[in-house]
Amino acid sequence: ELVESGGGLAQPGGSLRLSCAASGFSFTAYWMSWVRQSPGKGLEWVANINPVGSETYYLDSLKGRFTISRDNAENSLYLQMNSLRADDTAVYYCATAARGDNAGEASWGQGTQVTVSS
Amino acid sequence: VVMTQSPLSLPVTLGQAASISCRSSQGLVHSTGNTFLNWYQQRPGQSPRRLIYKISNRDSGVPDRFSGSGSGTDFTLKISRVEAEDVGVYYCMQGTHWPWTFGQGTKVEIK
Repeated sequence: ELVESGGGLAQPGGSLRLSCAASGFSFTAYWMSWVRQSPGKGLEWVANINPVGSETYYLDSLKGRFTISRDNAENSLYLQMNSLRADDTAVYYCATAARGDNAGEASWGQGTQVTVSS
Repeated sequence: VVMTQSPLSLPVTLGQAASISCRSSQGLVHSTGNTFLNWYQQRPGQSPRRLIYKISNRDSGVPDRFSGSGSGTDFTLKISRVEAEDVGVYYCMQGTHWPWTFGQGTKVEIK
């Protein structure tokens, strides 16, 4: 199970930190992701992080503003979002980074709403 | 990689078949030889759920009325007999090239 928290209303230029608590599977063995969904842009794969946290990938347009990280001791995933813009408004999902290798690898949380507005 | 789906809206009669097309702007064969083309279902008010991985493999618990096919840049999701619980939006997604990308979605509704 994946449970996100930390969403809410932020001002343009502000920051938010999303958290995701993982349970029921071997978190330390999985690549993890953040995916967002907005009416304007649909589903976007935001960032991936490898099991030990040493390798990350980002959507090009987000580089330098968003940082994905993890704490394997706490079975937790994070997304630090800085310099927020109105077009960052979306539901943010925590997910396993399932590119399609194996059955049952894909798991998503219920999502947390982020709204950027003054 | 741009993923283009059609149609964007698909009204279907219960018990009838439905077919969704997905075209990628580049080939999706990975250096491993696998083609990471997946299909997701998003029911109203729910998170996306993966149905199909590597073009044609069903995920655990997915009914066998769902099937995937295709190769190269053209892929298809078929529902053999649509049931009421199949209402929602269906997305193709490629995991071959970073950033992984989704199609714009096809809304399946009951006529």
